[in-house]
Amino acid sequence: GQNIDQPTEMTATEGAIVQINCTYQTSGFNGLFWYQQHAGEAPTFLSYNVLDGLEEKGRFSSFLSRSKGYSYLLLKELQMKDSASYLCAARDSNYQLIWGAGTKLIIKP
Amino acid sequence: TAGITQAPTSQILAAGRSMTLRCTQDMRHNAMYWYRQDLGLGLRLIHYSNTAGTTGKGEVPDGYSVSRANTDDFPLTLASAVPSQTSVYFCASSDRVAGELFFGEGSRLTVL
Repeated sequence: GQNIDQPTEMTATEGAIVQINCTYQTSGFNGLFWYQQHAGEAPTFLSYNVLDGLEEKGRFSSFLSRSKGYSYLLLKELQMKDSASYLCAARDSNYQLIWGAGTKLIIKP
Repeated sequence: TAGITQAPTSQILAAGRSMTLRCTQDMRHNAMYWYRQDLGLGLRLIHYSNTAGTTGKGEVPDGYSVSRANTDDFPLTLASAVPSQTSVYFCASSDRVAGELFFGEGSRLTVL
């Protein structure tokens, strides 16, 4: 079956760095997405990886290893506004998105 | 720009009643999607439309129907609501099938 695994909850300190991991099992692979979702709001796009390696976008970076079925989202210089859920989603061979349940990130002062 | 507009924002519905959740986008995106989001679960695709005039079933289509008469609108209808359809519903669009998704603000539906 198709599956996405990511931690349910993580806690980090303001100003620190946090890495949110995601492992996926899909029928074929056509890219991996990360979305941010603040409580009570809609998900918003953060990053997309289809090739192995690191994609950096400001304070946020996303890494992909297709051979390991693994991705991570790296958040640097954490701010209180980064408190949110982070959703990992992999696109399968039919271009359908398989979503993880999300990682709730709690930032403490 | 408005992006994607969903209505209503929230609704309480008696079991057995019908309900249509409205979704309108002004980005001229070809593909549109309806998801439901439940606590502890990932987003689950209900129905999708790759272009106006076509629709397809997602992971959890039972009890729901959609139509795509034009590019902008993609309503989701519950013909006879049941309590298990209590959820937050998100409409989304993308400019191409493999593109990033843009989400509406969600519609919180409670079926009693």
